[in-house]
Amino acid sequence: DGGITQSPKYLFRKEGQNVTLSCEQNLNHDAMYWYRQDPGQGLRLIYYSQIVNDFQKGDIAEGYSVSREKKESFPLTVTSAQKNPTAFYLCASKEVIGEAFFGQGTRLTVV
Amino acid sequence: AQTVTQSQPEMSVQEAETVTLSCTYDTSESDYYLFWYKQPPSRQMILVIRQEAYKQQNATENRFSVNFQKAAKSFSLKISDSQLGDAAMYFCAYRSAFGAAGNKLTFGGGTRVLVKP
Repeated sequence: DGGITQSPKYLFRKEGQNVTLSCEQNLNHDAMYWYRQDPGQGLRLIYYSQIVNDFQKGDIAEGYSVSREKKESFPLTVTSAQKNPTAFYLCASKEVIGEAFFGQGTRLTVV
Repeated sequence: AQTVTQSQPEMSVQEAETVTLSCTYDTSESDYYLFWYKQPPSRQMILVIRQEAYKQQNATENRFSVNFQKAAKSFSLKISDSQLGDAAMYFCAYRSAFGAAGNKLTFGGGTRVLVKP
């Protein structure tokens, strides 16, 4: 079945560590996105990529990094520079003309 | 930059009745898309309905319909014949129709819908 897979579902990080969240899609979509969701709030855009080997910062990119080496994959690294990383992270993809499809998310907790 | 505002943090509705969720947005663009997404406890984002700004006719999807007022920059969602499965967070979202910015969704803060049996 076509879709977006995020892993892991739950992730725990010690302070000062970098962690990488995985996002894979088999929908052949060109564009991919990372959003952050804090409790009781809407989604805020971290990074997005419209084509392989190219990506742009969103509204809250500080403390995060991404790569887009393959069309199917758009991993997000939460670095130690992100001061408050505990949140729910959602990945999405879409065609140029079409609607966004979302993964099931990764809950990141700093311990 | 575009902004989306949902002024109702929580709404409660009796099963089988109707509830209306409010959304306002701010933009200087003439062409854009508006969406309502549902996020149930599973946290999966589900597209409920979409409206294209150049279409005057309000979108409808089964029990879900919108009231799109372009001049007022208002985009409300009406859920008719509410069911227990409608209980979720609902997010209003905006997307420009132009250029690279046209691919990004801007979300409101969400409205939690509670359905009473």
